[in-house]
Parts: sequence; structure tokens; C-alpha cells
Amino acid sequence: GQSLEQPSEVTAVEGAIVQINCTYQTSGFYGLSWYQQHDGGAPTFLSYNGLDGLEETGRFSSFLSRSDSYGYLLLQELQMKDSASYFCAVDGGDKIIFGKGTRLHILP
Amino acid sequence: EAQVTQNPRYLITVTGKKLTVTCSQNMNHEYMSWYRQDPGLGLRQIYYSMNVEVTDKGDVPEGYKVSRKEKRNFPLILESPSPNQTSLYFCASSLSTSGRETQYFGPGTRLLVL
Repeated sequence: GQSLEQPSEVTAVEGAIVQINCTYQTSGFYGLSWYQQHDGGAPTFLSYNGLDGLEETGRFSSFLSRSDSYGYLLLQELQMKDSASYFCAVDGGDKIIFGKGTRLHILP
Repeated sequence: EAQVTQNPRYLITVTGKKLTVTCSQNMNHEYMSWYRQDPGLGLRQIYYSMNVEVTDKGDVPEGYKVSRKEKRNFPLILESPSPNQTSLYFCASSLSTSGRETQYFGPGTRLLVL
């Protein structure tokens, strides 16, 4: 079967750093993506890792370890506007499979 | 402006009354897909299309139909809607199936089946 596991909720403080983990078990794997979704909005693309290692885009970084079937999204200098749900998604070749999402709560 | 549009945005209907949700993209993307989003279940793929006249089932295709007669359009058809199809639906498109390519999502269609 195919599955992606990520925590359902994470809470952090404004200005801090938070890491959202994702482990996956899929029949095909070409890469791991991350999407952000604000309440009432559509998912928007954040990052993609096709190779092992860290990809950095401003305050957001994403990491992949193919041997561990594991990745994470790192958000630095948290702002209130980062309060949203974050989804990891596996590129399975012919389709993209999404995790159930992690709700990020940010405290002032 | 590059975008994916869906219509209608909100729909209330009754069991058994056929409906179509339209999806259109203006980015000449080859890959299009439909997802449903339910609380606690994330985004589940209903159908996808890799090009015109090429469609395939996703993880939850039962009760849905799609067609891809033109590159830009990918309508979702519910022939006989049932209450368990009450959900938030998203259409998405990208250049290819590669996760490297950004998937652009439409604004969503909130469907209530009574």
C-alpha cells in the first residue's frame, strides 16, 4: 500500500523555528513536495526535493533522505501568517500522493 | 494571469441529480487532476489526465467521471450524487506529472449533497 505520515498538529511560538516531519511508504518515488494551505484557500506549492539533502527558499527549507523514506519542512522566523496546514506529497511517477496534512498553530 | 478556474464555487444539490463541475486552465498544462478534501483525510485524488483523451483513476474514483476533450478543460461529472460526496473539490494542473513541476490549484468547489 501507499502511505504518508505527518503529525496532525504542531504548535510553535512567533519568531521561533518549527520542523514538520513526513515519512512515506509508496510503490514509486521520484521526489517529495510540500504545499501550504490557509483556511478557506487552495494549496500552494512551497518546495520540492528530488535528491537527498536540503533545499532552501527564504525562511523555508525542505530536507529529504531517500534511504530513510523521510523528509521534513523547516520554517524559520515564524510569522503569524504562517498559520496554515502543510502537506507533504510524494511524486509517484504517474501521480502525486498527498499526506493528510499538519495544522501549524502559532502563538504570539 | 496564469490560473485555474472552477465553477461553481459553491453548490447545494439533492441526491441523484446529475451535476458537472468545470475546470479550466490557461497555462497550456498537460497534466490535470481532481482532488477531494475532507477533514482529517487530506487531499485524495479522484481522477487525473496526462493529456487530451488520456484519463486514469486516482485513489477514490467511484461515483465520478471525467473527460479531457481539450487541453485546457477537465470537467468532473457526478452522474448520481450521494451525500457521501459532500466535500471540497479542487482541480489542479501542472506541466507534467513530475513533482518538480508546481501544481496549480483552482479555488475549490464546496459541494453539499442533501
